[in-house]
Amino acid sequence: ELKVEQNPLFLSMQEGKNYTIYCNYSTTSDRLYWYRQDPGKSLESLFVLLSNGAVKQEGRLMASLDTKARLSTLHITAAVHDLSATYFCAVDIGRNYQLIWGAGTKLIIKP
Amino acid sequence: DTEVTQTPKHLVMGMTNKKSLKCEQHMGHRAMYWYKQKAKKPPELMFVYSYEKLSINESVPSRFSPECPNSSLLNLHLHALQPEDSALYLCASSQSPDTQYFGPGTRLTVL
Repeated sequence: ELKVEQNPLFLSMQEGKNYTIYCNYSTTSDRLYWYRQDPGKSLESLFVLLSNGAVKQEGRLMASLDTKARLSTLHITAAVHDLSATYFCAVDIGRNYQLIWGAGTKLIIKP
Repeated sequence: DTEVTQTPKHLVMGMTNKKSLKCEQHMGHRAMYWYKQKAKKPPELMFVYSYEKLSINESVPSRFSPECPNSSLLNLHLHALQPEDSALYLCASSQSPDTQYFGPGTRLTVL
C-alpha cells in the first residue's frame, strides 16, 4: 500500500526553538514536495527535493531527502510565530502526475 | 509568474442547483488538476488533465464533471451535489512532472 506518514501531526512550540518534522514514505520515489497551508488558505509550494541527499533551505526552513531510508525532514530553526501553519509532504509516485500526500503537521509557534 | 486563479472564491448552492467552478493559468503548464480538501485533511485528487485530455478520474461521482476547454482553462461543473460535498476545491497546474502550483480555492457550501 502506498503510504506517506508524517510525524508529529501536531506540534506546539515556543519561538526561538528548533524542531524537525518527519515524512516517511512506503514506495520508491525520487521526487518529494513540501507545501505550507495557512488556515482557510491554499497550498504554497516550499521545496521540491529531487535526489538522494538533496538539501534545500529557505530562511528558517531546511528540507532534506534520503531516498534509501525513504525519509524526508523539514527542519525549523529558531522558530518565529509567522511559521505557524500546516505543513504537508507529498511524494511523486511517477504515475500520471499523482502525488501521495501526508496527513499534514499542524505547527503552532507561541510568542 | 506562478499564479493560478480560481473563481468564484465562495459558492453556496442548493442540492438541485447547477454551478461551475473556473480555473485559469497562464504559465504554459500542460497538466491541470482538481482537488477536494476537507478541513484538517490533505487534498484529495479528483481529476488530472494532461495536454487537455483527462488522464485521471479518481472514482469521482458523476455529479462532478470536469472540462478542459483549452490549455489554460479548467472547469468543474457541479450538479445535484450533496451536503457532504461541501469543501475547499483547489485547482493546480504543473509543467509535468514538477511542482504543482495551487490556486486560492473555491469554498463550496451545499445546503
